[in-house]
Parts: sequence; structure tokens; C-alpha cells
Amino acid sequence: EVQLVETGGGLVQPGRSLKLSCVASGFTFNNYWMSWTRQAPGKGLEWVASITNSGGSTYYPDSVKGRFTISRDNAQNTLYLQMNSLRSEDTATYYCTREGAYWGQGTLVTVSS
Amino acid sequence: DIQMTQSPSFLSASVGDRVTINCKASQNINKYLNWYQQKLGEAPKRLIYNTNNLQTGIPSRFSGSGSGTDYTLTISSLQPEDFATYFCLQHNSFPLTFGSGTKLEIK
Repeated sequence: EVQLVETGGGLVQPGRSLKLSCVASGFTFNNYWMSWTRQAPGKGLEWVASITNSGGSTYYPDSVKGRFTISRDNAQNTLYLQMNSLRSEDTATYYCTREGAYWGQGTLVTVSS
Repeated sequence: DIQMTQSPSFLSASVGDRVTINCKASQNINKYLNWYQQKLGEAPKRLIYNTNNLQTGIPSRFSGSGSGTDYTLTISSLQPEDFATYFCLQHNSFPLTFGSGTKLEIK
């Protein structure tokens, strides 16, 4: 059974950093691209970042480019999202996804002073 | 960037009704269109991938169609568990973009 478990969310002040983790199990992690998608409270879905199966290429929307970094450790079956210079508009539940087919339960990030 | 215009935003229907939800892309997305269902407090669940492929375990009352810029999700006979919010996603090109969602409510 595919499982994706996100951790690392919490309350953080504007301008500070936070790193999210997603531990994967139930499939061969290094065979799949992985992504992060977020959802602000009561709002729609926004794609945040994607990474190829090898980790050699990454993709971001303009809203987070230069502030967020997606990475992976295939030996540890873990996906990461390093978030720097956080803004109030980054407040959301962050989901780890396997090529859009499987989603974790999400971790809430709240950016507030 | 490809914009996804989803309609309607809200839909009120009864158990047994046939409903359709639409997504229109700002350019050709070559059938790289997924549909998701989200219930309150839960993660989205993929229903349909690449326009018309039913995700394993999803009931056959869900179907998808479309091509080019216009795509449709159809629920042939609404069941009580289908009342939720639905989103489309284009994955033809980066940045990936979602529709704004359709909230399906009980009439």
C-alpha cells in the first residue's frame, strides 16, 4: 500500500524558514517523480514544486521560485521542501504527492507573527 | 502559463441525478487532464487521469471526456458519498495548474 507521511509543519514567523519532510513507503521511491501541492485554508489547490525521480531536475511556479527548494533522498525514501523567506500567503496545508496519483494527509504551515 | 477555467463553481443536485463539471484550458493540453475529489478535512483523491482513465477503485459512474482545451467530468447517477468538491488539474506543461473547484451540494 502506498503511504506518504508529511511532517514538519507548524507556526513560523514571516521571513523565517521551515523544512517539510515526506516519508514514502509501499512503492519503489526512486522510480517516481514527486511533488508538493498546497491548499490555503478554504481555498483551492496550488502546485508548489516537482522533482524528477533521480533528483536531477526541479520545477517551481513563480510564486515560490527562489524561496522554496524541493529535494529528495532516495536512500531514505524521503522527499523534502525547504521553505525560506516565508510570507503570510504561504499559509496552507502542504501535501506530498506521487505524480498526482497518491497524496499524503498534509501538514499545516502557518506563517504569522 | 495555462489557465484552467472550471465551471460551475457550485452545483446543487439530488441523489440519482446526472451531473457534469467542465474545465476549459487557455491552450491545448493534449488530454493531460486529471480530476480529483476532495471531502472536507481530507486530501484530494484522483478519480480520472489523462482525460478518461478511471483510477483503480473508483466507481464506474465517474467518467471523463474531452480533448484540446475542453474537458468534462460526468457522474452518471449521484450517490450520497459523491457530495464533495471537485478539481481539475492540467499536467501538460509547467507550471501545473488546477481549476478553481466545483462544490457539489445536496439539493
